[in-house]
Amino acid sequence: KAGVTQTPRYLIKTRGQQVTLSCSPISGHRSVSWYQQTPGQGLQFLFEYFSETQRNKGNFPGRFSGRQFSNSRSEMNVSTLELGDSALYLCASVRRGSESGRKETQYFGPGTRLLVL
Amino acid sequence: KQEVTQIPAALSVPEGENLVLNCSFTDSAIYNLQWFRQDPGKGLTSLLLIQSSQREQTSGRLNASLDKSSGRSTLYIAASQPGDSATYLCAARPSGTYKYIFGTGTRLKVLA
Repeated sequence: KAGVTQTPRYLIKTRGQQVTLSCSPISGHRSVSWYQQTPGQGLQFLFEYFSETQRNKGNFPGRFSGRQFSNSRSEMNVSTLELGDSALYLCASVRRGSESGRKETQYFGPGTRLLVL
Repeated sequence: KQEVTQIPAALSVPEGENLVLNCSFTDSAIYNLQWFRQDPGKGLTSLLLIQSSQREQTSGRLNASLDKSSGRSTLYIAASQPGDSATYLCAARPSGTYKYIFGTGTRLKVLA
């Protein structure tokens, strides 16, 4: 079974630009979550999607947005990049216990490392 | 607001030792709690998930316990090996949400 795919793996942008990151979950998983990881703040929740609907959103400014497509693939977008947006962005593919009748399992992708100059 | 704390921040032990990593959370209203492992520059690997109704979970040399009333979870690693060297993170999923609140992690180094 293929794992979670995140593209691109590395990205360098300059302040003011925008960026789109992509996540392809494990086949059959309908829930995708996004997290930002920085040395100072650790892992922080960005958003969670299920069947193209955002069910939870973290405490990030409106510059951070996301969406999920009918095939469960998800994208997140950051507009007007700031230096502080430099981070590892992790996507998690989740099989919810409540939705599958089985034990919840969560698989993280390798992440996209974003550097804002 | 749920907050998750992990102690110690770093730990260095000789190979073969049994060790305990601690995780505390401020709000007992959790759906479940997970322990993860992260290797440098990599994503996270789920080790153990404990539902709120459970007291512990075991997988091989790993055992995780959950005490909601005291807001604590522990990860016990038996007979540690150099390959166990990594950062260990605990994360609580607040009831009624689909998000996880992560602790800052314990960086473990097992010396050969």
